[in-house]
Amino acid sequence: EDKVVQSPLSLVVHEGDTVTLNCSYEVTNFRSLLWYKQEKKAPTFLFMLTSSGIEKKSGRLSSILDKKELFSILNITATQTGDSAVYLCAVLGSSNTGKLIFGQGTTLQVKP
Amino acid sequence: DAGVIQSPRHEVTEMGQEVTLRCKPISGHDYLFWYRQTMMRGLELLIYFNNNVPIDDSGMPEDRFSAKMPNASFSTLKIQPSEPRDSAVYFCASRASGRAANTGELFFGEGSRLTVL
Repeated sequence: EDKVVQSPLSLVVHEGDTVTLNCSYEVTNFRSLLWYKQEKKAPTFLFMLTSSGIEKKSGRLSSILDKKELFSILNITATQTGDSAVYLCAVLGSSNTGKLIFGQGTTLQVKP
Repeated sequence: DAGVIQSPRHEVTEMGQEVTLRCKPISGHDYLFWYRQTMMRGLELLIYFNNNVPIDDSGMPEDRFSAKMPNASFSTLKIQPSEPRDSAVYFCASRASGRAANTGELFFGEGSRLTVL
């Protein structure tokens, strides 16, 4: 059965800290891994990763994929209170239908 | 584009009542997904449609749950009878086929928060 596991489940840091969120997966015929940010409403798309070792960056956020070890990390540098959210990792597996398997999410709280 | 539109945004009902959640996908998107989110289980896929046809309903918890997509611009998720353990946020999401199919990016609605007392 396809599975996505995120760690830690929750994290509290102070503004300016750097955080690393982890996502490991077991899926049949991996196609892509996606990161979403969820504040109080719907998840919003951050990154999509398909190849190992290629870092994706957007401002203070970056992510990288390791297809050999079956994991991805999401880094946030110089955190701000606006980064407080649930970060979701999702993997597209064996079918070509966009059926994403989501992890439990990591709840990040950034304190002033 | 208005994005994926869901209604109601919030619903509070009593155990045993019928609940109907509605979704309007983004125009032109031919895949529609219903997810349920709880603290305990995270985001779970319930069912998805392609071109209005249900493709995989293996995530539907039990016979009390049903979903329909009578046309390309409308879908419903019905719970009858509802139970307290159905309390969750129900998300509808859609995407287009083609290039986006290989990346899996979904566009989510704002969600319907259901509370069953």
